[in-house]
Amino acid sequence: ELKVEQNPLFLSMQEGKNYTIYCNYSTTSDRLYWYRQDPGKSLESLFVLLSNGAVKQEGRLMASLDTKARLSTLHITAAVHDLSATYFCAVDRGKAAGNKLTFGGGTRVLVKP
Amino acid sequence: DAMVIQNPRYQVTQFGKPVTLSCSQTLNHNVMYWYQQKSSQAPKLLFHYYDKDFNNEADTPDNFQSRRPNTSFCFLDIRSPGLGDAAMYLCATSRDLAGIETQYFGPGTRLLVL
Repeated sequence: ELKVEQNPLFLSMQEGKNYTIYCNYSTTSDRLYWYRQDPGKSLESLFVLLSNGAVKQEGRLMASLDTKARLSTLHITAAVHDLSATYFCAVDRGKAAGNKLTFGGGTRVLVKP
Repeated sequence: DAMVIQNPRYQVTQFGKPVTLSCSQTLNHNVMYWYQQKSSQAPKLLFHYYDKDFNNEADTPDNFQSRRPNTSFCFLDIRSPGLGDAAMYLCATSRDLAGIETQYFGPGTRLLVL
């Protein structure tokens, strides 16, 4: 059974500093997604990582995937307040499992002035 | 511009009283998913439809059922809601199951069981 772990579960950030969220998963997969969720809202797709070594960047966020290490990272550069949200990674279970997603537990990010 | 629409946004029901949540999509996607998300937890997949083919997760309680009368609409029926079923219910769609397809989420329906 695929298990997905995110670290840390909670991250208090100072504006202007850099931080990294880690997503580890337990079985082979080469497809991983990052989502953002604001309180009481739905999930917004941030990145789709489809192969080993994939790197995607959008604004202050950069995501990467190392399928051999079964690890993805979400790097935040020069944090700003509007990045406060919960971030989820989700791993594709593979074709045999209907390409369904298993989500990590989420990392709640709070950016303080 | 809304692509995945859920109604209602908030639903209050009584313990044991059947409730139906609605999802519609304008994307003409083949796949529709229902997730349950409890407070401060990750979304948990309940089931999905690939076109008309229904796929239930092994640990989804029998109390939860779904219908997809056409491509655009999918319903979640909770036959006898318990207090533990209070949660946010998220509908999502994707063009295909191929794994490279992003899932697009609706705004969710927050269910309260009294």
